[in-house]
Amino acid sequence: QQQVKQSPQSLIVQKGGISIINCAYENTAFDYFPWYQQFPGKGPALLIAIRPDVSEKKEGRFTISFNKSAKQFSLHIMDSQPGDSATYFCAAGGANAGGTSYGKLTFGQGTILTVHP
Amino acid sequence: NAGVTQTPKFRVLKTGQSMTLLCAQDMNHEYMYWYRQDPGMGLRLIHYSVGEGTTAKGEVPDGYNVSRLKKQNFLLGLESAAPSQTSVYFCASSYSKGKQFFGPGTRLTVL
Repeated sequence: QQQVKQSPQSLIVQKGGISIINCAYENTAFDYFPWYQQFPGKGPALLIAIRPDVSEKKEGRFTISFNKSAKQFSLHIMDSQPGDSATYFCAAGGANAGGTSYGKLTFGQGTILTVHP
Repeated sequence: NAGVTQTPKFRVLKTGQSMTLLCAQDMNHEYMYWYRQDPGMGLRLIHYSVGEGTTAKGEVPDGYNVSRLKKQNFLLGLESAAPSQTSVYFCASSYSKGKQFFGPGTRLTVL
């Protein structure tokens, strides 16, 4: 069974600190690794995504680090802000929806991030 | 442009009752998905559709049925609700490059 394991389950960070969330996957056929952000009472929204041909992708304060040989990827939030407090999900899937993956994603268990002011 | 909408937002059922959750998208996406979200378990795929008139099983399909009669709508049905189906249900849609757009969710309680 395809699995994505995410850690930690919860994370508390002080304002201005670095938040780090880790994920590990099993299926080497995965070729699309997005991170979703979810605020209470809302649906998940895409935050940032990476393909396995690069080791790092940065968008503002958010960075994905990807280690293909270890089958691991992580989300780093620099200068964490109280507004970043949310649940974060990693996911893995096939980006080519024209193939058998049909764009399906396998999600990690989620990390509840709390940033204290 | 409303994106992905879900109806209803909240629902309470008694064991054995049936109901249908409606998902609608106005982005002309081919692919649509139904997930359930439970604490500590992330989002698990129930059923999905790759186009009008097609459906397929996901990771946790038992107890649910779906239909995609129109491209913009994806319906999730519970024929005989059970307490184990108490959850938050999310619908999502996507185009070919993998990014999924999620609706606001339906919180279902089965007593």
